[in-house]
Amino acid sequence: QVQLQESGPGLVKPSQTLSLTCTVSGGSIRSGYHYWSWIRQPAGKGLEWIGRIDTSGSTKYNSSLKSRVSISVDTSKNQFSLELSFVTAADTAVYYCASYTTSWQSFDFWGQGTLVTVSS
Amino acid sequence: QSVLTQPPSASGSPGQRVTISCSGSSSNIGSNTVNWYQQLPGTAPKLLIYTNNQRPSGVPDRFSGSKSGTSASLAISGLQSEDEADYYCSAWDGSLDAWVFGGGTKLTVL
Repeated sequence: QVQLQESGPGLVKPSQTLSLTCTVSGGSIRSGYHYWSWIRQPAGKGLEWIGRIDTSGSTKYNSSLKSRVSISVDTSKNQFSLELSFVTAADTAVYYCASYTTSWQSFDFWGQGTLVTVSS
Repeated sequence: QSVLTQPPSASGSPGQRVTISCSGSSSNIGSNTVNWYQQLPGTAPKLLIYTNNQRPSGVPDRFSGSKSGTSASLAISGLQSEDEADYYCSAWDGSLDAWVFGGGTKLTVL
């Protein structure tokens, strides 16, 4: 069974860049049946899809964040990463990485989530 | 404001049946499949229902999903205390070119 684990700083200053990495275990990130996504959840609020990448490096982003988001993949390390630039307090949230399975068209496995706080 | 609309709360007594609705539009639920996720307190969401009405292995058959037009529903029968959680619907939105979620429904087992 695929497992995902987020890692990265828990505190980022306003206007700086948030950087997170998701390590995939129990399966290859090269799987042709999965896309790799980031989803976030502000405290007490709902889920927001940030974007996804496939193993060819093709990306798709939420248009509300598109100008500030970059997702990349490192197949040699079985990892994919998120960068969100020019962060503000509104970007404070729990960030989840998740695998999207093309056969079920759903997010089948999720990381435990990591809280990122934007504050000076 | 979420693209998909869910009631903020629902409740039921143990053993009862509860239904949670999810309303969307032609660009999301109306033209794509719906998934449901369960989020227990302090944990990550877990896939509960995929492609409208399919259950992943390990999900009890007390949970069922349905879709009609631009709306979908999650039904939970034989309610148990461990079902107390937040439930989210989700679908691909072709107009927004993005995955969208409902605002979530907090289920309380009385």
